[in-house]
Amino acid sequence: QQQVKQSPQSLIVQKGGISIINCAYENTAFDYFPWYQQFPGKGPALLIAIRPDVSEKKEGRFTISFNKSAKQFSLHIMDSQPGDSATYFCAASVGSNTGKLIFGQGTTLQVKP
Amino acid sequence: DGGITQSPKYLFRKEGQNVTLSCEQNLNHDAMYWYRQDPGQGLRLIYYSQIVNDFQKGDIAEGYSVSREKKESFPLTVTSAQKNPTAFYLCASSRGSSSGNTIYFGEGSWLTVV
Repeated sequence: QQQVKQSPQSLIVQKGGISIINCAYENTAFDYFPWYQQFPGKGPALLIAIRPDVSEKKEGRFTISFNKSAKQFSLHIMDSQPGDSATYFCAASVGSNTGKLIFGQGTTLQVKP
Repeated sequence: DGGITQSPKYLFRKEGQNVTLSCEQNLNHDAMYWYRQDPGQGLRLIYYSQIVNDFQKGDIAEGYSVSREKKESFPLTVTSAQKNPTAFYLCASSRGSSSGNTIYFGEGSWLTVV
């Protein structure tokens, strides 16, 4: 019940296209859903995050869509660029301890020029 | 510059040895964490600390130990009891431990058993 399932494992998109990564969870107590971006050999960096009381959050080219009833959330990268090529992780946490983030397995995105 | 510093970047361990990974932060964050990342997998929580002189086990604490004697420091020792220690280790911190506090990660340390 603590798992966060992420798909696809890898994704190839043409420059200018839309990249979509999906995550699903079981634990309805989760109340914070961040997405992290990681470049090779580096630590992950927070990209965007959402709480379950909103259905969508947009920051620049990055949008999180959240479906509470389906227990799913997704990351959309509009106008994908080669510089977006990285590994993306969704995560979830509950209640008083953000540090106990449960991570998805990661999606390696390659944006072709 | 403010941030999280992990050292060393690369470390090789012989069978039966204990090794310690250093993590220092100058962000004045109360909470600190250690995660392990294996190729093609997500991050898994090893240990976390919400305040000085206190820490709790994460999901995969066996074979690891930590200390939190100072607010800015949270070293991780990988003991010989850890059967498969080769991995990328990430230290992180956050201002507080309530939900919604951004977690910041260091650059990571690669540990290889030789």
